[in-house]
Amino acid sequence: QQKVQQSPESLSVPEGGMASFNCTSSDRNFQYFWWYRQHSGEGPKALMSIFSDGDKKEGRFTAHLNKASLHVSLHIRDSQPSDSALYFCAASEQGGSAKLIFGEGTKLTVSS
Amino acid sequence: EAAVTQSPRNKVTVTGGNVTLSCRQTNSHNYMYWYRQDTGHGLRLIHYSYGAGNLQIGDVPDGYKATRTTQEDFFLLLELASPSQTSLYFCASVGGRGAETLYFGSGTRLTVL
Repeated sequence: QQKVQQSPESLSVPEGGMASFNCTSSDRNFQYFWWYRQHSGEGPKALMSIFSDGDKKEGRFTAHLNKASLHVSLHIRDSQPSDSALYFCAASEQGGSAKLIFGEGTKLTVSS
Repeated sequence: EAAVTQSPRNKVTVTGGNVTLSCRQTNSHNYMYWYRQDTGHGLRLIHYSYGAGNLQIGDVPDGYKATRTTQEDFFLLLELASPSQTSLYFCASVGGRGAETLYFGSGTRLTVL
């Protein structure tokens, strides 16, 4: 019944490398997408949102959305050890129920 | 930055016990949520609320009750706790629906023996 699926389950990149995360939704009602990051021992924090098809760049982070294929991705360039965390994709319906549905998460480890 | 405070930080109880998890937000947000986090499942929505006195059922509500007593306070109740409810619980709040981001608390780790 999981409506938001993430891959890979875990990811290891060297410091300075590129980390890429993928997320696919099975519900065409989802119109709003977010990426959240959770460091160990903390609650998740919103990293960035994307609501329109195409790319959105914020510093080292770039999100890409393709609503036709229900696919959203996140890329981190020049990865730092401080980027090591659990990354969640989340989605909600347009103007809808206020329910935010999360994926299973991807664990990123950046080695120095 | 928006503040969401959860208590207790850790809780241990026995099977059949009663547990109340507390959440307070001081952001004047309308929407509040309870999620549980388990490895391999991500964050799953238990209950949520649009405002004081309102309660909406989430995706995994069985075994849980919730009550929103004020704009600020949202409680999660486990009246007959079971080992399957051992989890990390997060409360979150958001001002409006649709486009705004959620602000999470630091979580409550619950162990049911």
